[in-house]
Amino acid sequence: DGGITQSPKYLFRKEGQNVTLSCEQNLNHDAMYWYRQDPGQGLRLIYYSQIVNDFQKGDIAEGYSVSREKKESFPLTVTSAQKNPTAFYLCASSIQAFGTQYFGPGTRLTVL
Amino acid sequence: ELKVEQNPLFLSMQEGKNYTIYCNYSTTSDRLYWYRQDPGKSLESLFVLLSNGAVKQEGRLMASLDTKARLSTLHITAAVHDLSATYFCAVDQLHYGGATNKLIFGTGTLLAVQP
Repeated sequence: DGGITQSPKYLFRKEGQNVTLSCEQNLNHDAMYWYRQDPGQGLRLIYYSQIVNDFQKGDIAEGYSVSREKKESFPLTVTSAQKNPTAFYLCASSIQAFGTQYFGPGTRLTVL
Repeated sequence: ELKVEQNPLFLSMQEGKNYTIYCNYSTTSDRLYWYRQDPGKSLESLFVLLSNGAVKQEGRLMASLDTKARLSTLHITAAVHDLSATYFCAVDQLHYGGATNKLIFGTGTLLAVQP
């Protein structure tokens, strides 16, 4: 089955640690995205990538980093510079840069 | 800066009733999406509206777009309990008039359908 997978489902981080969230898709989509969702709010764009080896900052990129070395993978690192990282993180992909975005199941990150 | 507002934020309705969720946005765009989210789950794509006057229907849900008024509506007909979820609209930020696929999401409408 084609789809988007994210791992882990739950992640706990100690203050000062960097953590990496995985996002993989086998839909052969060109574009991939990372969003953050806080309780009772909509999604906010962190980073996006339209092609391999290229990515752009979204609206809230500070404290995050990404890479896009393979078409199917777009990992997100939450660095210690992100002051309030506790949130639900959603990865999405679209067939092209202008197509409907389809979302993965999400990773819930909690800072201890 | 593009801002997207949904109302109401919370909607409690009885089964069998009709209601409408509104999505207003502040700057020009002609590409709007509706998503559904169940508690603790991911987002499911419902509709994409790509031009002024676009109307899409699926089951008891119908979405429309008026780009001149910068308004989209999601109409629910004869609600059933299974429609209980949070509904988000998302608007594409245009850059020099062209689509970017950088979406700005509304804060969501929590719909609770009571038996």
